[in-house]
Amino acid sequence: DAGVIQSPRHEVTEMGQEVTLRCKPISGHDYLFWYRQTMMRGLELLIYFNNNVPIDDSGMPEDRFSAKMPNASFSTLKIQPSEPRDSAVYFCASSLLGTPEKETQYFGPGTRLLVL
Amino acid sequence: DQQVKQNSPSLSVQEGRISILNCDYTNSMFDYFLWYKKYPAEGPTFLISISSIKDKNEDGRFTVFLNKSAKHLSLHIVPSQPGDSAVYFCAASVPSGSRLTFGEGTQLTVNP
Repeated sequence: DAGVIQSPRHEVTEMGQEVTLRCKPISGHDYLFWYRQTMMRGLELLIYFNNNVPIDDSGMPEDRFSAKMPNASFSTLKIQPSEPRDSAVYFCASSLLGTPEKETQYFGPGTRLLVL
Repeated sequence: DQQVKQNSPSLSVQEGRISILNCDYTNSMFDYFLWYKKYPAEGPTFLISISSIKDKNEDGRFTVFLNKSAKHLSLHIVPSQPGDSAVYFCAASVPSGSRLTFGEGTQLTVNP
């Protein structure tokens, strides 16, 4: 299996622009997670889906952020409008069973976002 | 509100010596703890875990210790190798929860 696939790997954009990050989970995995990594806060969970349905979006910072999972093999995280403080590495992860003690989460390589 | 904290942003050790990475948590509902390892330009990968019913779990050179009363866990790497140089994240979850709460990470550098 190719693992979790994320695109783009790097994104540089200007403040105010829309940014869309993409994720393809491991085939057959029912859970998909979006994380953001910053130096100050480490890895923060933004939102996660189970069977394409958003379950917990309490980590989404504000209305500028939105996430969708139109089917089992694709998810997007959108930031509109983007701001410099959104600069971070965004990771997507997937797992088969959802609970960490039964099945670990597998992370993609991340998208490094820089908002100027 | 950082429920999982790794107070040491970095740690440097000599090859062959022991590396000890520490993690503290505040949420007493956490019952499962994990360590993830991250190399540059890659995503984190699972390393080792421990349930709250245990106080120690060992896997080769890696051992995780859990002190529930102190809400503290540590990862020991013995002996440390240059290939262990990476960022280590501590994470925790509540019973039957899917959500992982991560710490800030500790950059470990093992010098040859």
